[in-house]
Amino acid sequence: AQSVSQHNHHVILSEAASLELGCNYSYGGTVNLFWYVQYPGQHLQLLLKYFSGDPLVKGIKGFEAEFIKSKFSFNLRKPSVQWSDTAEYFCAVNAGPSGSARQLTFGSGTQLTVLP
Amino acid sequence: SQTIHQWPATLVQPVGSPLSLECTVEGTSNPNLYWYRQAAGRGLQLLFYSVGIGQISSEVPQNLSASRPQDRQFILSSKKLLLSDSGFYLCAWSVAGVPDTQYFGPGTRLTVL
Repeated sequence: AQSVSQHNHHVILSEAASLELGCNYSYGGTVNLFWYVQYPGQHLQLLLKYFSGDPLVKGIKGFEAEFIKSKFSFNLRKPSVQWSDTAEYFCAVNAGPSGSARQLTFGSGTQLTVLP
Repeated sequence: SQTIHQWPATLVQPVGSPLSLECTVEGTSNPNLYWYRQAAGRGLQLLFYSVGIGQISSEVPQNLSASRPQDRQFILSSKKLLLSDSGFYLCAWSVAGVPDTQYFGPGTRLTVL
């Protein structure tokens, strides 16, 4: 079965600092990878996703993530965070046989707090 | 555009009472539908998914059940709630096909007392 690890449970940064949130997954086959974000009081929403092609994926709000297959990683980055980036971030993996309702396996989440 | 609704937004129920949470999707046909539970510090756990009317797959044994009486309606139920059923329940949908991206509803906060 697939699993996802997010090793940073809570990250505190000052505005303008650079961000990197780690995500590692375990699954030997083809995977689709996602980062979701949940701002306080809001829906869980998609930040970016990787299906194939360029392993460096750009998402909304200046976020990007790099898929490194050899390391089973999909780390999230942002060069300069803002106070409004305070949120919980979830990495997720989607794997399974073609044609099935492919199930998302989520990491435990990382709470990012950006200090003004 | 597609939208997903969940109600109620919050619910407080006594132990042993029944439960019914509803999720509906608009703007798409034959979606895949999912129920997740989000526990603090533990991410999201998939409870049920459905690829069509009347087709339900359960991921974990539990006190809950799911039904899909209509194409765009997904219901989470329990006959008798347990304290451990407290949590934040999220419904999600995706377009049937490979690969698919899941889109989440606003969630229901359930507190069992």
